Amino acid sequence: GAVVSQHPSWVICKSGTSVKIECRSLDFQATTMFWYRQFPKQSLMLMATSNEGSKATYEQGVEKDKFLINHASLTLSTLTVTSAHPEDSSFYICSANPSFNYGYTFGSGTRLTVV
Amino acid sequence: AQTVTQSQPEMSVQEAETVTLSCTYDTSESDYYLFWYKQPPSRQMILVIRQEAYKQQNATENRFSVNFQKAAKSFSLKISDSQLGDAAMYFCAYRGNSGGSNYKLTFGKGTLLTVNP
Repeated sequence: GAVVSQHPSWVICKSGTSVKIECRSLDFQATTMFWYRQFPKQSLMLMATSNEGSKATYEQGVEKDKFLINHASLTLSTLTVTSAHPEDSSFYICSANPSFNYGYTFGSGTRLTVV
Repeated sequence: AQTVTQSQPEMSVQEAETVTLSCTYDTSESDYYLFWYKQPPSRQMILVIRQEAYKQQNATENRFSVNFQKAAKSFSLKISDSQLGDAAMYFCAYRGNSGGSNYKLTFGKGTLLTVNP
């Protein structure tokens, strides 16, 4: 149980276009989801906390208009990278906590390449 | 703000041997959770073990165990009988219980574990 599904696994897009990444909790409801960015051989960097039915909370230094987050239901959060540029190329991971005392469950990640 | 420090960027171990990965953290909270996550080359984050700060007993999951020293703010991971499949990046993580933004995880920089056959 406690599965988080993330799609797509990888995506290549042209500079200037937008890309949407989906994160779904398959067997539990997630009022909160977390979006991370990870560069090669580095740790996970929290970008934002996604809250169902309300605005996301962004970490300092993360551009809200660049990384749009929507959490429209208890099982789905989306991250849209708008007007993507090569420097946005990275590995993006989402996560959710099935219950307070449980360990966080992570999606399989999305490798974004902007050309 | 809470910080998590993993002082060993890389470690190696012989297959079937035991290895210990170090983690220290800084917090002013008394109640919190600590986690070890494994990230193999597939980059899927996998929960290895978790520890609740109010429990004095060290958590154990099969070949994985922790040495939780609350006063010293230390949380090391011991892997016994190391297997080739244990090769991965290991992240130590902290989560406070004070509510609000403290529900987010704070990660260390990771330790890359190599298992030699």
